[in-house]
Amino acid sequence: DIVMTQTPLSSPVTLGQPAAISCRSSRSLVHSDGNTYLSWLHQRPGQPPRLLIYEISNRFFGVPDRFSGSGAGTDFTLKISRVEAEDVGVYYCMQATQFPTCGQGTKLEIK
Amino acid sequence: EGQLVESGGGLVQPGRSLRLSCAASGFTLDDYVMHWVRQAPGKGLEWVSGINWKSGRLHYADSVKGRFTISRDNAKNSLYLQMNSLRDEDTAMYYCASGSGGYYPVWGQGTLVTVSS
Repeated sequence: DIVMTQTPLSSPVTLGQPAAISCRSSRSLVHSDGNTYLSWLHQRPGQPPRLLIYEISNRFFGVPDRFSGSGAGTDFTLKISRVEAEDVGVYYCMQATQFPTCGQGTKLEIK
Repeated sequence: EGQLVESGGGLVQPGRSLRLSCAASGFTLDDYVMHWVRQAPGKGLEWVSGINWKSGRLHYADSVKGRFTISRDNAKNSLYLQMNSLRDEDTAMYYCASGSGGYYPVWGQGTLVTVSS
């Protein structure tokens, strides 16, 4: 299985300030078809996960442009340019290059 | 808009069985990959089992291989998870998720499975 490791595990952020979450995979996520199936999910308490970003950097429908994804190979980053109150919750990086696995989750909270 | 609704969760004793269902509405599952994903209380997401609707190819996590069986019913546009020999560590919220192209945009609200004597 591909192991996904996120840092930090907790991120207290001031409203309006940026935030960044890193994700590292135990092996390259480049699929044999040339695509890299790295997604970011957001989960609010009591809610199912919601897709934010797919294939490293593509925002899903309705996701605000303050969210951006970057990276390649084994190292990826999710950035929030200006954190808003609705952004609290847990963020997961997820790979689907092989049978899907997720990182441990990063809890974003407001200072 | 597509929707997934899970059902079948509940309290069950260790060693017993349970069958979860996931009904899709607003879209057909023909061209999608479907997964069961679970989340133990206070923990992260664990992908349990998946099926490629078109090819019928199945996948299982090592933690459930030999105990859980994923299946589908095209006529009912539904996904199932037969869970046998349940253990305490199978206690979790179970979500079904639908996707294609390596990402999963549609998730159900989940059904809670509690394994306890």
